[in-house]
Amino acid sequence: EAGVAQSPRYKIIEKRQSVAFWCNPISGHATLYWYQQILGQGPKLLIQFQNNGVVDDSQLPKDRFSAERLKGVDSTLKIQPAKLEDSAVYLCASSSSDRGNYGYTFGSGTRLTVV
Amino acid sequence: AQTVTQSQPEMSVQEAETVTLSCTYDTSENNYYLFWYKQPPSRQMILVIRQEAYKQQNATENRFSVNFQKAAKSFSLKISDSQLGDTAMYFCAFGSGNTGKLIFGQGTTLQVKP
Repeated sequence: EAGVAQSPRYKIIEKRQSVAFWCNPISGHATLYWYQQILGQGPKLLIQFQNNGVVDDSQLPKDRFSAERLKGVDSTLKIQPAKLEDSAVYLCASSSSDRGNYGYTFGSGTRLTVV
Repeated sequence: AQTVTQSQPEMSVQEAETVTLSCTYDTSENNYYLFWYKQPPSRQMILVIRQEAYKQQNATENRFSVNFQKAAKSFSLKISDSQLGDTAMYFCAFGSGNTGKLIFGQGTTLQVKP
């Protein structure tokens, strides 16, 4: 089966600009996650979707970050305006279960550099 | 809230030897899963091994095995016959069986030396 697709692979923007990342999960996977991974650290969960509904967005900085999952399939994560501290890898993952028991499949991530 | 702690930021091992990576976690849930993921420089997060908390038997996948101590909330990874391709960052992760939420530790960078 095809994996989790993410684009773009790299993005460089200036602070205060906006940026969007796209994720296409594995077909049929109802649960989708966005993680932020700062260099040298573990991934931090930003938002969890179940189909097109938000399950957990408690760690999402809602003043500048937004995410949506259209029709319960593709998802977009947006940052507006970007700050220097947003430089990180943004990982998307999906799961066929909302209970974690079947594991999670990750995309290759988008490396964002804010200058 | 669940937390995952990896106390070894960096480790190294000689090729063909055995190394153990440590992980502890904290949770009040009874229904959960534990994972070890490998992340090479390509950034792809690769599942190494998975353990169901309700199973007492330690999981094994070829050269990789875990020592799961539920009472102590400890979940270590043993890599036997280390290979150069094992060089990567390794993350311990907790998966909630109630919410499906996946929480990661800080990671351990493992270098396998020839």
